[in-house]
Amino acid sequence: ILNVEQSPQSLHVQEGDSTNFTCSFPSSNFYALHWYRWETAKSPEALFVMTLNGDEKKKGRISATLNTKEGYSYLYIKGSQPEDSATYLCAYNYNQGGKLIFGQGTELSVKP
Amino acid sequence: GAGVSQSPSNKVTEKGKDVELRCDPISGHTALYWYRQSLGQGLEFLIYFQGNSAPDKSGLPSDRFSAERTGGSVSTLTIQRTQQEDSAVYLCASSPHPGTSGLGQYFGPGTRLTVT
Repeated sequence: ILNVEQSPQSLHVQEGDSTNFTCSFPSSNFYALHWYRWETAKSPEALFVMTLNGDEKKKGRISATLNTKEGYSYLYIKGSQPEDSATYLCAYNYNQGGKLIFGQGTELSVKP
Repeated sequence: GAGVSQSPSNKVTEKGKDVELRCDPISGHTALYWYRQSLGQGLEFLIYFQGNSAPDKSGLPSDRFSAERTGGSVSTLTIQRTQQEDSAVYLCASSPHPGTSGLGQYFGPGTRLTVT
């Protein structure tokens, strides 16, 4: 069974705090690791797709790292803002263009 | 340009009725996926279409679920004899073609299905 685990399940932080989430996935037959951001009543939005061990990607205040040998990825948000409030999903796929296997998500709430 | 669209946005149906959910992918995208999120669960893969290849139906939970993709574009997910456990948000996604899955999948806004 291919399992993707995310932690924590939810996180409440104050505006300006930096935070990070963890995604663990099977380290065998790895093809790509995806991070998505899903705001209520909107479509999930792709943040990063990472394929190589040691990949680091950055988009504004959000960055992510990938360790395929041990099967984990971290997502970091620097200086959280209320507009960062959303559910952050990671997903793994083991073949090119195939289905994504999602974790249950980390729900982030940033209070002003 | 237009993103992935889904209809209806909300659907309430009685147990035992059939429902059809529609997905319009981004023009030119050859891959189309259906997922669902039940209450308290993560996004669960249902079915994947790639061009003219046979679809990957490995995620369909029962034979009450079926999907088709006409002309390589629009897709319809049909649930027959709906049950309360079918209540979920059904999401459709598309991507350009397998070689560019590195760009991620583009999701629609979803259809929230409630079975009473």
